[in-house]
Amino acid sequence: AQTVTQSQPEMSVQEAETVTLSCTYDTSESDYYLFWYKQPPSRQMILVIRQEAYKQQNATENRFSVNFQKAAKSFSLKISDSQLGDAAMYFCAYRGSGYSTLTFGKGTMLLVSP
Amino acid sequence: NAGVTQTPKFRVLKTGQSMTLLCAQDMNHEYMYWYRQDPGMGLRLIHYSVGEGTTAKGEVPDGYNVSRLKKQNFLLGLESAAPSQTSVYFCASSYSRTSDSTDTQYFGPGTRLTVL
Repeated sequence: AQTVTQSQPEMSVQEAETVTLSCTYDTSESDYYLFWYKQPPSRQMILVIRQEAYKQQNATENRFSVNFQKAAKSFSLKISDSQLGDAAMYFCAYRGSGYSTLTFGKGTMLLVSP
Repeated sequence: NAGVTQTPKFRVLKTGQSMTLLCAQDMNHEYMYWYRQDPGMGLRLIHYSVGEGTTAKGEVPDGYNVSRLKKQNFLLGLESAAPSQTSVYFCASSYSRTSDSTDTQYFGPGTRLTVL
């Protein structure tokens, strides 16, 4: 079974600074998809960014980018120019190609200070 | 277009009581899911459905039952609630393009359930 590990229960960053959240995963599949979801205090799950394993280019969405290292099975999220609104729980998730279900990590709480 | 909605938003039960959580989606999605979220545990899949009339077990199915009688609705039932089922429950839905990264899951707002 696939597992997703987020080793940082909590991270802190100051406004305008950059922070990186770590995620590693374990799989025997060669084709899969990886996601980062944001959960603010409202509890709503919001998709931040996605990455296809067959693409070598790292995904980018505005201030959010990933560092995807397929051989190392690592999928970290970098948030640039952090804003107060970025404060939330962030979940890394895995989905195998041909499957619909997601496997989530335990989450990293991001705190943003002025 | 409401997306994914969940009813109720909050509920308090006594041990042994039963209840049903309703999830509805208006995006014509084939797949629907129920997750539970506990502190320090992330989201764990309870049951899911790949189409009307179908259901399948996820990672933590014990103590729950589900039904998908209509494509747009996915019901999660607790027949005899236990304190261990105190959690936040999320419903999600997606298309069936499993070989396409754009097939992401859309989540409802969650239901906070407390079992005393």
